Amino acid sequence: EPEVTQTPSHQVTQMGQEVILRCVPISNHLYFYWYRQILGQKVEFLVSFYNNEISEKSEIFDDQFSVERPDGSNFTLKIRSTKLEDSAMYFCASSEDTGELFFGEGSRLTVL
Amino acid sequence: EDQVTQSPEALRLQEGESSSLNCSYTVSGLRGLFWYRQDPGKGPEFLFTLYSAGEEKEKERLKATLTKKESFLHITAPKPEDSATYLCAVPGHSGYALNFGKGTSLLVTP
Repeated sequence: EPEVTQTPSHQVTQMGQEVILRCVPISNHLYFYWYRQILGQKVEFLVSFYNNEISEKSEIFDDQFSVERPDGSNFTLKIRSTKLEDSAMYFCASSEDTGELFFGEGSRLTVL
Repeated sequence: EDQVTQSPEALRLQEGESSSLNCSYTVSGLRGLFWYRQDPGKGPEFLFTLYSAGEEKEKERLKATLTKKESFLHITAPKPEDSATYLCAVPGHSGYALNFGKGTSLLVTP
């Protein structure tokens, strides 16, 4: 069964460092998303990406965040200068159309 | 403003004790209501999509129903392996990104 894969599964970084989280969406999917979940809180939308551009973003997705689809398979989330409050699980998701999203297992980011 | 409110926050059931989880939503012009299951430390796993009032969908011991203002996830004769957090989500006012509720944490004890 096709699945969304994410790397790394866990990353520890120092405050102020840049982090890149990587995702390989399901191959025939056209819509890509990043969500985050701070420990004990709800799953929060960050950004959606379609046709090689951002289609929607939340207030959380400020200038320190960026997304890219550098090739035909990868989808990345970059955090330029990490803060303590960026510590969270980051989930990548993809969808074939505007229906259900399929999520990866997540990347746990710990900022020290 | 929360578009999705789930209740209860936590629910503890004995194995075999049926119950229902609630998801109320405030979005007008609903473009789908989605149920997911999330195990600790894992990503949400898709369960159901409902599009119109009166619609029902079933999967094993789970049945989801939809009215004009809320959705219910009925769990019949649950087993310990049904223990998880159940999430409800709807698309926002514009776009198709899903907005999630805080979830109901279900614990089923033997």
